[in-house]
Amino acid sequence: DAGVIQSPRHEVTEMGQEVTLRCKPISGHNSLFWYRQTMMRGLELLIYFNNNVPIDDSGMPEDRFSAKMPNASFSTLKIQPSEPRDSAVYFCASSFSGIETQYFGPGTRLLVL
Amino acid sequence: ELKVEQNPLFLSMQEGKNYTIYCNYSTTSDRLYWYRQDPGKSLESLFVLLSNGAVKQEGRLMASLDTKARLSTLHITAAVHDLSATYFCAVDIRRGNQFYFGTGTSLTVIP
Repeated sequence: DAGVIQSPRHEVTEMGQEVTLRCKPISGHNSLFWYRQTMMRGLELLIYFNNNVPIDDSGMPEDRFSAKMPNASFSTLKIQPSEPRDSAVYFCASSFSGIETQYFGPGTRLLVL
Repeated sequence: ELKVEQNPLFLSMQEGKNYTIYCNYSTTSDRLYWYRQDPGKSLESLFVLLSNGAVKQEGRLMASLDTKARLSTLHITAAVHDLSATYFCAVDIRRGNQFYFGTGTSLTVIP
């Protein structure tokens, strides 16, 4: 199994630009999670999906952030417009049916200048 | 507000020594997970604890869960340099895989 796949691995962009992060969960997993990690705030859950449906997006910082999961094998997290304070590592994780652990992708390191 | 607190935040220990990392959480849960993160890397699952009194061991690491005390421990036995990393606990309070992560414990094992 290839594990959770994220792209890009690194992204440098300028303030005001749109950023799209992508995630492919492990095949067969029905839950997908987006996290943000910073030194100041640690690991924060942004949103999670169950069977492609967003269950809780209360962690999404503001309207500039949006996430979609059009099918079981693909999800995107979009920031528009991006700001320097969005600089962080964004992790995608997936799991199966609420008991197993979550498996994390390698992360996308985002720097907004 | 749910709180998941780890203690200590930073730990420097000599090779061969034993130590325990503590994870306290503020609401009812019978599911707790431990992860390891190496610098610049992703999170790797270590242990899954799914009931009160659960104990899991892997090599020099042993994790336990006391749901009544809302406490999990990660015990390190005879530490080696390779164990240097940041360790996170995560609590699942809704049985829906919605994890709340602790603050992390940065462990450095000194030769």
